[in-house]
Amino acid sequence: DAGITQSPRHKVTETGTPVTLRCHQTENHRYMYWYRQDPGHGLRLIHYSYGVKDTDKGEVSDGYSVSRSKTEDFLLTLESATSSQTSVYFCAISVMQSRVGEQYFGPGTRLTVT
Amino acid sequence: DQQVKQNSPSLSVQEGRISILNCDYTNSMFDYFLWYKKYPAEGPTFLISISSIKDKNEDGRFTVFLNKSAKHLSLHIVPSQPGDSAVYFCAASYSGNTGKLIFGQGTTLQVKP
Repeated sequence: DAGITQSPRHKVTETGTPVTLRCHQTENHRYMYWYRQDPGHGLRLIHYSYGVKDTDKGEVSDGYSVSRSKTEDFLLTLESATSSQTSVYFCAISVMQSRVGEQYFGPGTRLTVT
Repeated sequence: DQQVKQNSPSLSVQEGRISILNCDYTNSMFDYFLWYKKYPAEGPTFLISISSIKDKNEDGRFTVFLNKSAKHLSLHIVPSQPGDSAVYFCAASYSGNTGKLIFGQGTTLQVKP
C-alpha cells in the first residue's frame, strides 16, 4: 500500500463546468502521474509531476491542467468538462529513486460528464 | 500510434492450467517492462517486471518472458486460479523518460473453476 488516496471517488458533472480531482500521497514520493482509463485504450498518461511546481504534459493532455503546490498533493483540473472526458481517472506514484520503476496506483475516480 | 499492443482482448482458461498473456511493442528504446493486474472498481496493482538485460523473471506462479528481437513479452501464470480473473495490462518504459509508462489496451482473463 503506497498510501495513495483520490477524491472524489465518483462525480457526475455537466458539460462546460470545471472539475478538480485530487490525489494525495503520504510518503513524499517525487514522481506523480495522472492517467485515464477507457475501453480499448488501456491507461493513457494525461500529465505528470517530477517535483513541487514541476509538471509536464503526457499523451492526452488537451483540456486538462495540473498543479502541485505540495509534495503530497497533485491536482487534475478539467477546465471545461466535455462528454469525451467521461472516464476513470487514476493517480500513480513512482516509488523508485531512478526514473524508471514501478508505479503504484490510487483507487480511481469515476467521472461522468452529462 | 499504439507503441504497446495487447492483441487479445480476452482469454479464458480452466483452473489449474497455464494462462499466457501476450504483449508486443514497437519502440526499440523501451528497456523496462511491467505487468499490472486490475480488478473492477480498483486501481491497477503491480504484478511483475523485467529489465531488457534479462529474458525471464519469475515470481511465484508468475513468469514474464522477454524476446527483444521479436519485441514481444508474455506473462505466464501457472497454475491459474479463479482469483486471477482480472484485466491484465502490460506497460513499457525507457530510461530518461521520467518514469512514464506506456500501457497496452489490456486483456481480460477469466479462470473457470
